[in-house]
Amino acid sequence: AQKITQTQPGMFVQEKEAVTLDCTYDTSDPSYGLFWYKQPSSGEMIFLIYQGSYDQQNATEGRYSLNFQKARKSANLVISASQLGDSAMYFCAMTNGGAGANSKLTFGKGITLSVRP
Amino acid sequence: EAGVAQSPRYKIIEKRQSVAFWCNPISGHATLYWYQQILGQGPKLLIQFQNNGVVDDSQLPKDRFSAERLKGVDSTLKIQPAKLEDSAVYLCASSSGRVGQETQYFGPGTRLLVL
Repeated sequence: AQKITQTQPGMFVQEKEAVTLDCTYDTSDPSYGLFWYKQPSSGEMIFLIYQGSYDQQNATEGRYSLNFQKARKSANLVISASQLGDSAMYFCAMTNGGAGANSKLTFGKGITLSVRP
Repeated sequence: EAGVAQSPRYKIIEKRQSVAFWCNPISGHATLYWYQQILGQGPKLLIQFQNNGVVDDSQLPKDRFSAERLKGVDSTLKIQPAKLEDSAVYLCASSSGRVGQETQYFGPGTRLLVL
């Protein structure tokens, strides 16, 4: 069974600095996808970035990059140049087998990030 | 392009009452998901539809929860009767259902409080 582990307590970062949010995963499937979502206090889950297990390069989306270490089974999110609006809960998730319509997500417990002015 | 729509945004009910939530996915998305998110936890999948068929409802408490997607577009999730432990955010998500396009896009959620 797939498992996502996010163990960091609440994280704090100074505005304009970079921050890394940790995520480790466990799966026996050779093919899987890793996702990061942001959930502000309003409650909506906002898709940030995706990494496929066979992707050779780390994914990047604007200020977000995913540090994918396949051998270590880690998929850490790096946010560069933090902004006050980045304060939110961040969830790591992975697809648990299947593809297309059979794809399902398993989520971690999330990490709270607070950006200080 | 419009995102996933959900209503209502907030609902407060007494235990043993019934409640229904509505979701309209992104246009053209064949796969629709309902999640339950209890405070301080990650979302937990309740049910997954492909068009108007159920793909997975293994974690849906079927004695009190039901869901349908009759025409393969909108979906309704119902709880009857509600219990105190059903207090949570109910999130709807959709994806295209195509291989290689597994990203799920979420709606704003419905916050349910059962008193």
